[in-house]
Amino acid sequence: TQLLEQSPQFLSIQEGENLTVYCNSSSVFSSLQWYRQEPGEGPVLLVTVVTGGEVKKLKRLTFQFGDARKDSSLHITAAQPGDTGLYLCAGRSRGSQGNLIFGKGTKLSVKP
Amino acid sequence: DTGVSQDPRHKITKRGQNVTFRCDPISEHNRLYWYRQTLGQGPEFLTYFQNEAQLEKSRLLSDRFSAERPKGSFSTLEIQRTEQGDSAMYLCASSPTVATGELFFGEGSRLTVL
Repeated sequence: TQLLEQSPQFLSIQEGENLTVYCNSSSVFSSLQWYRQEPGEGPVLLVTVVTGGEVKKLKRLTFQFGDARKDSSLHITAAQPGDTGLYLCAGRSRGSQGNLIFGKGTKLSVKP
Repeated sequence: DTGVSQDPRHKITKRGQNVTFRCDPISEHNRLYWYRQTLGQGPEFLTYFQNEAQLEKSRLLSDRFSAERPKGSFSTLEIQRTEQGDSAMYLCASSPTVATGELFFGEGSRLTVL
């Protein structure tokens, strides 16, 4: 069974701080996605990474896919209260067109 | 609004009753997924359709659960003889047929079994 482990599980920081959350697996993924979910809503896609070593930036968010395509990180610079939410990573193994496996998520709280 | 819509948003039922959830995907998407999410957990895959064909089912999908997508458009997820352990958020998502398969989620249907 493929598993995606996310750390930390919870993170509470002050506005303006930087943070990094991690997504790790022993399996290789053909692509990996990051979603953000707010309470009572469905997850919303932030980014997809496909190539090992790939780095993508989305304003203050930087996403990196590991060289071996087994892990990923999300770095947020100068966090804002609007960044508060559940950050989920999700991966699909090579050759799979169906099942997208999700991690348990990192619950981020940014206090003003 | 052309996003994924789910109905009902909330359902409270007594143990043993049957419930049905409906999902209307984004019209041009031919893939449709059902996930279940409990508090503090990430979404767990239940099943997936390509057009009207159900191509993959999770072991989580017991005999009490059935999903259909009869015309390759909307989908229904039925839970028979509900149990308290079925209480969760049921999420529907759709995606186009591309290799990276980004999922577009609905707002979910929250089920509470008393």
